[in-house]
Amino acid sequence: QVQLVQSGAGVKSLGASVKVSCKASGYTFTAYNINWVRQAPGKGLEWMAWINPNTGASDSAQKFQGRVTMTRDTSISTAYMELNRLTSDDTALYYCARRLRYCSGSSCYNYFDFWGQGTLVTVSS
Amino acid sequence: EIVLTQSPGTLSLSPGERATLSCRASQSVTSTYLVWYQQKLGQAPRLLIYGASKRATGIPDRFSGSGSGTDFTLTISRLEPEDFALYYCQQFDTTTSTFGQGTRLEIK
Repeated sequence: QVQLVQSGAGVKSLGASVKVSCKASGYTFTAYNINWVRQAPGKGLEWMAWINPNTGASDSAQKFQGRVTMTRDTSISTAYMELNRLTSDDTALYYCARRLRYCSGSSCYNYFDFWGQGTLVTVSS
Repeated sequence: EIVLTQSPGTLSLSPGERATLSCRASQSVTSTYLVWYQQKLGQAPRLLIYGASKRATGIPDRFSGSGSGTDFTLTISRLEPEDFALYYCQQFDTTTSTFGQGTRLEIK
């Protein structure tokens, strides 16, 4: 069965960096993009970025550009998201999610079908 | 960036009633790239609807999605106790994605 298992919670200092991992199992890791979504306490979902595990190509929301780095290690089916220069606004639950894309006839669909359990990152002064 | 605005922010209804949730985009969205999720407290989001109107596997038929262009709707025909949760719409752009801010569906 498909599973995405994320690294554990952590507390970081202002200005520090955090690296969250997302280990995939139950499917071919390189066949599906991994996306990162965060949720601040009591707030909504915020899409951050994606990585193509096959090619390593990635992109992010404009507000995170220059501050977020996505990498992967295909030998262990794991994707990573590193966020730099942390502020208190970065305190959030960070999720990885698998993006499924398929085409039927002339229509193509995108959606997140499996999610990790979330990693709580707390930024403290 | 396409901004998705969901309304209402909170919807208070009773079990058995019909719920209508709205998702409006700041510019036209390809309907096959419009998705709805449900999120319960302490859980990751769960896929409900993709392609604006296609129910995901295992989703009851009381959930339906509709819309095109900039206006999309999630309808729950007869609310069950387990439907009271947060609901988010999401769109996929060329290389990015955005979520709406969510609608909280609460028991009246």
